[in-house]
Amino acid sequence: KAGVTQTPRYLIKTRGQQVTLSCSPISGHRSVSWYQQTPGQGLQFLFEYFSETQRNKGNFPGRFSGRQFSNSRSEMNVSTLELGDSALYLCASSSSSGWVYEQYFGPGTRLTVT
Amino acid sequence: AQSVAQPEDQVNVAEGNPLTVKCTYSVSGNPYLFWYVQYPNRGLQFLLKYITGDNLVKGSYGFEAEFNKSQTSFHLKKPSALVSDSALYFCAVSLQTGANNLFFGTGTRLTVIP
Repeated sequence: KAGVTQTPRYLIKTRGQQVTLSCSPISGHRSVSWYQQTPGQGLQFLFEYFSETQRNKGNFPGRFSGRQFSNSRSEMNVSTLELGDSALYLCASSSSSGWVYEQYFGPGTRLTVT
Repeated sequence: AQSVAQPEDQVNVAEGNPLTVKCTYSVSGNPYLFWYVQYPNRGLQFLLKYITGDNLVKGSYGFEAEFNKSQTSFHLKKPSALVSDSALYFCAVSLQTGANNLFFGTGTRLTVIP
């Protein structure tokens, strides 16, 4: 099976702009989670979508939002970008089978805000 | 609230020697524990997980981890280190079954010296 894919891989934006990142999960996976990775804060959970519904949400401001489509592909949006939003954004998908799921991560989108 | 601690930012070990990467956790319920590895410019790869049962969990690439409830630890081990094991290792915990919101430790950089 193909792995989790994320587009674009690299992105440069300026403060105040908005950005949309895309994630395609492994075929058959219905759960998609998003994480932010920074040198200072480490890996932090943003939100999880399952069957087009947000199931869990981390402690991030409302500028961070997401959605999931019927084919399980997911997008996350960050509005009014700040310098501190510069990070590696990782998407992970997991199977709907089993009761404790391991997640499979994509390569990430490196966002730089100038 | 749950938390995960990786007390060592950096671990150096000679090739062929056993390696240990430490992780301790603090949760109020039953922990579901994970180890992930991150290679440069790549996403995280799943190594192993502990749900319940046998305290010694075997995972990918010859890694194993020992769950110790009394010490609230979940150390990652490998009997014989390879240079290719050099990477960033993350311990993570989830409290909820079926929930993909992982809390990650700060990571430990493992360097295997030839």
